[in-house]
Amino acid sequence: QSVLTQPPSVSGAPGQRVTISCTGSSSNIGAGYDVHWYQQLPGTAPKLLIFDNNNRPSGVPDRFSGSKSGTSASLAISGLQAEDEADYYCQSHDNSLTGSLFGGGTKLTVL
Amino acid sequence: QLHLQESGPELVKPSETLSLTCTVSGGSMSNSAYYWGWIRQPPGRGLEWLGTFFYSGTTYYSPSLKSRVTMSVDTSKSQFSLKLTSVSAADTAIYFCARGTVTTCDDCFDSWGQGTLVTVSS
Repeated sequence: QSVLTQPPSVSGAPGQRVTISCTGSSSNIGAGYDVHWYQQLPGTAPKLLIFDNNNRPSGVPDRFSGSKSGTSASLAISGLQAEDEADYYCQSHDNSLTGSLFGGGTKLTVL
Repeated sequence: QLHLQESGPELVKPSETLSLTCTVSGGSMSNSAYYWGWIRQPPGRGLEWLGTFFYSGTTYYSPSLKSRVTMSVDTSKSQFSLKLTSVSAADTAIYFCARGTVTTCDDCFDSWGQGTLVTVSS
């Protein structure tokens, strides 16, 4: 079981807004470590979507946004599109593990 | 444009050593601006961070694998490697190599290889 907890699945209709949560603890997100988000389309490698909580790499649409508060972080996707259907993972650092870790992943279904 | 390519045996026997190499092209490994890592993904499951090493030589490994994993780099060949000893079926996964940029973040990975599936079976 991952130390960073994500909902197994979320869904939304085209055009809607969805959020994916990433819940950690005082040894990772709550300790002030940054959270990053990845998108993994079926059969492909993960792609960095958000880094350091709320920053988008060049080329990532502004429909994707991130936030962090306390021991949790969230990824929001607005104006859902069919091509957003993918698995999404959060990542952070953990003091007790002395290393990085990923959330369990969330499968986004666009209805 | 940066390209990372994993290579190595697709099938490894239980108790043996899994060895993979990541070849980097389109960018230099001899640059303190970057760090390099390995991540794996069992079929149908989530991502698992294995380890990260920095230009300084500092390396961090996943605590759950620390006793079995070794990462090394050969900048002359633009390659970095992963060795995982005493493998079992639980080590069957797609193995990704990846790069991070220190000016972007401390531990995120902004470039990934396509991944290679390694199956542990007799």
